[in-house]
Amino acid sequence: SYVLTQPPSVSVAPGKTARITCGGNNIGSKSVHWYQQKPGQAPVLVIYYDNDRPSGIPERFSGSNSGNTATLTISRVEAGDEADYYCQVWDSSSDHEVVFGGGTKLTVL
Amino acid sequence: EVHLVESGGGLVQPGGSLRLSCAASGFTVSSTYMSWVRQAPGKGLEWVSVIYTDGSTYYADSVKGRLTISRDNSKNTLFLQINSLRAEDTAVYYCARVVGGSSQYFDYWGQGTEVTVSS
Repeated sequence: SYVLTQPPSVSVAPGKTARITCGGNNIGSKSVHWYQQKPGQAPVLVIYYDNDRPSGIPERFSGSNSGNTATLTISRVEAGDEADYYCQVWDSSSDHEVVFGGGTKLTVL
Repeated sequence: EVHLVESGGGLVQPGGSLRLSCAASGFTVSSTYMSWVRQAPGKGLEWVSVIYTDGSTYYADSVKGRLTISRDNSKNTLFLQINSLRAEDTAVYYCARVVGGSSQYFDYWGQGTEVTVSS
């Protein structure tokens, strides 16, 4: 089945830009969705279809997807952005399987 | 307002069974795709199953044959029947509403229900 690879951790200072990558074979041909999960809480959708934001998600969150890498970018990082982030794709060719990346822990220094 | 509330989790012995429920409000379960996603302690998210509006169902290879997803339209509730429980089924189980199209993603999640498999 399809595999998504994320770095286990990313650290960034407040006010700086965080970039979380999600690698997959020709992932640019798929749509990528991103979730934020804080400790003890359910995941929250932050980006869908590569770079669309649900209502209520700050414009500081954006995404891109090309080649073998998708990226979630968080600008002007705040302490409240500290969380685990997961990328996700849907593999319609593999029994309608939904695939998640392993997750990245974002630490705000 | 969309709301999903899971229930039915608990401590179960290996080999036992459990039925999880997900009560939905603010939308109609039968009119949308619905999924279950689980998360083992300290681990990442793992998709488990989906049920489509036409009633067709799909499962992750890791649970195929032991899990059954279903819904009760009259109660606007989603279910997950888990049989032959194993230690590796220990996780928080989330129900989530699926937005379908050229891809699929989850726009609303419940708070989760915890399943612990242990003797």
